[in-house]
Amino acid sequence: GAVVSQHPSRVICKSGTSVKIECRSLDFQATTMFWYRQFPKQSLMLMATSNEGSKATYEQGVEKDKFLINHASLTLSTLTVTSAHPEDSSFYICSARGSSVTYEQYFGPGTRLTVT
Amino acid sequence: GESVGLHLPTLSVQEGDNSIINCAYSNSASDYFIWYKQESGKGPQFIIDIRSNMDKRQGQRVTVLLNKTVKHLSLQIAATQPGDSAVYFCAENPQTLTGGSYIPTFGRGTSLIVHP
Repeated sequence: GAVVSQHPSRVICKSGTSVKIECRSLDFQATTMFWYRQFPKQSLMLMATSNEGSKATYEQGVEKDKFLINHASLTLSTLTVTSAHPEDSSFYICSARGSSVTYEQYFGPGTRLTVT
Repeated sequence: GESVGLHLPTLSVQEGDNSIINCAYSNSASDYFIWYKQESGKGPQFIIDIRSNMDKRQGQRVTVLLNKTVKHLSLQIAATQPGDSAVYFCAENPQTLTGGSYIPTFGRGTSLIVHP
């Protein structure tokens, strides 16, 4: 149980275009989802926390107009990188919790974004 | 956790040896700690957790030790195998909610390389 999927697993896009990444909880309802960004050989950096039906809470330094997060249902959150640039190339990982007041979180397999 | 954005330290061991991976955490009020394993190109996987009211917890071939006095967490892997090669992260979770969620903080990670 507690499986989280991400789609796509890899995406290459041209500079200036937007790309959407989906994160789904397959067998549980995710009241809270987290979006992380990870550069090579570095730790996970939390970008934002989203609770279903609410606006996402962004971490300091993360541009909310560039990284649009939508958590419209209890099983789906999307991250849209708008007007992507090469410096946005990274590994994006989501995780989900079945309750906002629990510690356990289940990670997706990640999405490798390359902006050319 | 330790500073993010720094390159990963590396631990190299021989197959069959025991491995000890360390993590210094930052918040003395953190309540729940998790060790994750992340293989290349994948999302983190849960290994073992420990609450702040414990100082040791054992799983299958893994043991987590918590020293709250010095804010230190360690992961011990017995009889390390090549399949254990991965990056290992610790994560600390606070006692208090932020925006309705417990926001985890990840340590910088350690790259474990197991030589056959």
